[in-house]
Formats: sequence, structure tokens, C-alpha cells
Amino acid sequence: KAGVTQTPRYLIKTRGQQVTLSCSPISGHRSVSWYQQTPGQGLQFLFEYFSETQRNKGNFPGRFSGRQFSNSRSEMNVSTLELGDSALYLCASSLVGRDMETQYFGPGTRLLVL
Amino acid sequence: QQQVKQSPQSLIVQKGGISIINCAYENTAFDYFPWYQQFPGKGPALLIAIRPDVSEKKEGRFTISFNKSAKQFSLHIMDSQPGDSATYFCAASKSYGQNFVFGPGTRLSVLP
Repeated sequence: KAGVTQTPRYLIKTRGQQVTLSCSPISGHRSVSWYQQTPGQGLQFLFEYFSETQRNKGNFPGRFSGRQFSNSRSEMNVSTLELGDSALYLCASSLVGRDMETQYFGPGTRLLVL
Repeated sequence: QQQVKQSPQSLIVQKGGISIINCAYENTAFDYFPWYQQFPGKGPALLIAIRPDVSEKKEGRFTISFNKSAKQFSLHIMDSQPGDSATYFCAASKSYGQNFVFGPGTRLSVLP
């Protein structure tokens, strides 16, 4: 079974631009969560999608948004990029997102904002 | 109240030794506590997890100890190996959700 895939793996943008990151969950998984990982703040939860609906949301500004498609693939968008948005963005999937389910992480997309 | 504290920040252990990483939380609504292992260039991978209804869970060389009254839990790695060198994150979540709150991480180095 293929793991969680994220594209692109690396991205360089400039301040003010917007970016879209993509995540393909493990086949059959319907819950997709997004996290931001930085050396200073560690791993922070962005949002979780299940059946095309945002089910949980972390404490991030509205510039961060996402969506999930009917095939469970998910995209994350960041508008008006700031230098502080430079981070590793991780996507994780699980079957239906219950707490005891194993959540499988992708390798991440490393975003650098100049 | 949403924070999960983790210590130490870094840990150096000799091969064959015991590695111990500690975490503490405030929010009593948390009731699922996983540990993740992350190698450079990779996403975190679930190592072991525990619910508060048990005080200890063991899987191979990895053991979680849980102290509900103290709101603390720890990861013990027995017979530590150089291949265990990675960053370890504790996390917590409430029932029926996977919006985990992660600890800041512990970088473990196991010397050969």
C-alpha cells in the first residue's frame, strides 16, 4: 500500500505570494490532517478534513485554508505569504480520524518564503 | 492549557542504555497520548500510544508509563541502539479527534 504522498517536496516563494500544497492520503483513508513544523514552534495542528468537510481547526490565521476532494485528496493554501510561514508542512491521514487510529504522516513539503 | 511540555530537549545515551523522555500536560480532557519518532527528512511515525485507563504499555523495547494524577507520561527506550537516534515527540488529543497537541520534541543520540 502506498504511503501518504505530498507534492511538491520543496517550494520557494516570495512574500505576498500564495501557495497551494497537495496531499494524497493512503488509499481508503478519509481523514486528512495538516500540521506546520518549525524549529521554534514545533509541530502545530492546522486543520483536519473528513468527507470533504473541515472537522477541526487549529489556531492559525485565515490566510491558511484547505479543502478535501471526493477522493479524499486534500490541498492546503496559504495566501499573502509571510517570512514566518517558512516551515515544513506535514499531511497525515487515517481511516476515519478516531483518536486511537494510527495517523500516518507524509514526508512533508518544505516551504521557504523569501 | 493546550500545551504539552516535554523534557529533555536533547539526550545522549550510550548503546545499550535506557533513554527516558518525559512529558506533562494540563488539559484533563486529553485522553489519548501517542509518541512519534521522526528521522531527518521524514514525517513523524507513530511509535506507541496509551489511554489513561492503563498505567503502562510496552511494545518491544519501548514502554510508556502514565501517571494520571500527576498528568505526566514518559517514554522509556530499553537497550537503546544507534538506529534509535531520532527526534521523539509526545502528543495528546481529546476523544474522537486527531487534532493532536505535540510536545516540542527531544533529539536523542545513541552513541555506538
